Formats: sequence, C-alpha cells, structure tokens
Amino acid sequence: DTEVTQTPKHLVMGMTNKKSLKCEQHMGHRAMYWYKQKAKKPPELMFVYSYEKLSINESVPSRFSPECPNSSLLNLHLHALQPEDSALYLCASSQFSSSEAFFGQGTRLTVV
Amino acid sequence: SQQGEEDPQALSIQEGENATMNCSYKTSINNLQWYRQNSGRGLVHLILIRSNEREKHSGRLRVTLDTSKKSSSLLITASRAADTASYFCATPEGYQKVTFGTGTKLQVIP
Repeated sequence: DTEVTQTPKHLVMGMTNKKSLKCEQHMGHRAMYWYKQKAKKPPELMFVYSYEKLSINESVPSRFSPECPNSSLLNLHLHALQPEDSALYLCASSQFSSSEAFFGQGTRLTVV
Repeated sequence: SQQGEEDPQALSIQEGENATMNCSYKTSINNLQWYRQNSGRGLVHLILIRSNEREKHSGRLRVTLDTSKKSSSLLITASRAADTASYFCATPEGYQKVTFGTGTKLQVIP
C-alpha cells in the first residue's frame, strides 16, 4: 500500500467552527508533513513530525494545531480560521526526512 | 530560503514534442527531487537525483544535475496530453525539510 489517504476531500467551514483534517499512511514511514498550497503557488511546509514528535513548526499560527496520535495517523485541528486560510492542505509521508515523499490528494478548505 | 526557481513558468507544446524545464537553487544539496501535480491534486514523486549523479533516467524522463551551477533540468520526451500538469523541483533544507521550487506549468496540446 503506497497511498496516503486524506479526509475530507472538501471542507467548508465558518470562522467560528472547529474542524479536523485527517491523514493516514500504512507504509511505515516515520516522517509526516502538512503543507499548505495556495492557487498557482508551490506547497509551503507547515509542520514536520518525525517519529511521532513535532520536529518543525514553520511559525504557523496557533489556530492550526497538529497532532500525531500514532505512527500512521496525522491530524490537523482547525479553529477560528480566517478566509485567507482557504487553500489546499496536503499531507505527505516519507521513510526518512528529505527523502522521496508520498502525498495525499489533499483537502480543499474554504473558510467563509 | 532554499526555494528553487523554475523556468519557464509556463510551457505549451504539441503532443510528441519534448519539454524541458529548469530549476535553480541556492545552497549545497545532497539530492534534488522532481514532482508532478495534476490540477488541484496531490503531488507525485517522479525522480530523485543525488549530488554525486549528473544524469538520471526514468522512462521518458531525463534529469540532469549540475552542482557547480546549482541547477537541474527535467526533460520529458515524446510528450503526451496526460503529461499536462505542474512540475516542481524540491530540494532539502537541513535534515528534515524539503522546499519546493516555484513550478513550471506544462500544457501538452493533443
């Protein structure tokens, strides 16, 4: 199984809502990532988990809260988002940090 | 920031032609990767070339790396309509980060 599964595929949320994005991989990868991608831009790294521990936070606002419950799962909890947070959120995993990464299909998030 | 810059930003070719896109980066690297992204979807890893390699092939893909010029190129031969996508180079930044270049949007016209 070489898939990274992200749910939901689409999410519309209000600025006062709390929601979560989920990501799952069963490749035994020990590094997992959250990226944010705006239209016509490259993916921008948000968080890196290595061996289930948060190792990089790219100065992401606290309204984004990552969680790694186990080696296969990665969540991104969203609270009090702004319309400018609307974007494609991508999860990825790799065997080692900076090696070949496998991406999920992303969650298209719209904040209204 | 290590972010690579790619050129051209956009490329439109006829099916069957070759497509070449270039990536320049700023600091020393131990590998460089290329990814493809179909519209609004996840990225797919295409090829990884290590710093001690000058050229690598995978099917219709040929990647070169010139560490002295801090540049890489991706050549897609005999392009197909299905190759229409955005292509990104990606370079490591430290031990745990990979930073994506600005991307080239390729359109292959049937």
